[in-house]
Amino acid sequence: AQSVSQHNHHVILSEAASLELGCNYSYGGTVNLFWYVQYPGQHLQLLLKYFSGDPLVKGIKGFEAEFIKSKFSFNLRKPSVQWSDTAEYFCAVNAGNNRKLIWGLGTSLAVNP
Amino acid sequence: GAGVSQSPSNKVTEKGKDVELRCDPISGHTALYWYRQSLGQGLEFLIYFQGNSAPDKSGLPSDRFSAERTGGSVSTLTIQRTQQEDSAVYLCASSLRQGEAFFGQGTRLTVV
Repeated sequence: AQSVSQHNHHVILSEAASLELGCNYSYGGTVNLFWYVQYPGQHLQLLLKYFSGDPLVKGIKGFEAEFIKSKFSFNLRKPSVQWSDTAEYFCAVNAGNNRKLIWGLGTSLAVNP
Repeated sequence: GAGVSQSPSNKVTEKGKDVELRCDPISGHTALYWYRQSLGQGLEFLIYFQGNSAPDKSGLPSDRFSAERTGGSVSTLTIQRTQQEDSAVYLCASSLRQGEAFFGQGTRLTVV
């Protein structure tokens, strides 16, 4: 069965620190990959996605993610975090033409000012 | 509408009662999804609609759960004879294209 693993459950950083959140998935075929973010008290929103093409994708608010097919990974990065990046981050995958998303458990990020 | 709207935002119900959760998707979005998020767990897929039909309802946990969508728009998720393990946040999302799902605020269901 398909699954998504997020290795970091809770991350605490100071402002201006660099961020990398890990995401690995289990599926051998074609996948579409997503990172969603949920700010406190708000709904889930799409941060970035990968369907095909350049494996390095850029999203909103300075986030980027790199798809490494050989490692089944789609790690999220940001060179310098801000206090406003405090949120829950979710990695999600859908396989081929399957419309449903399989989700990781999420990573809670707290950025201290 | 401007976004995906879910109602009610909170629902407390007694064990054994039926509940209905409503989702108003973004106008024109053909695909609609229901997920639920239980405490300490990730989002769990329940059902997917394309138009009014449900090509994938593999995530419905039991026959107590059902959903329908009418007019290619509003969807209702019904849970019959609620149990305490049904307590969760139920999320609805809609999309026009694959993957670009827009989420509502969710309905927090508490079964006491």
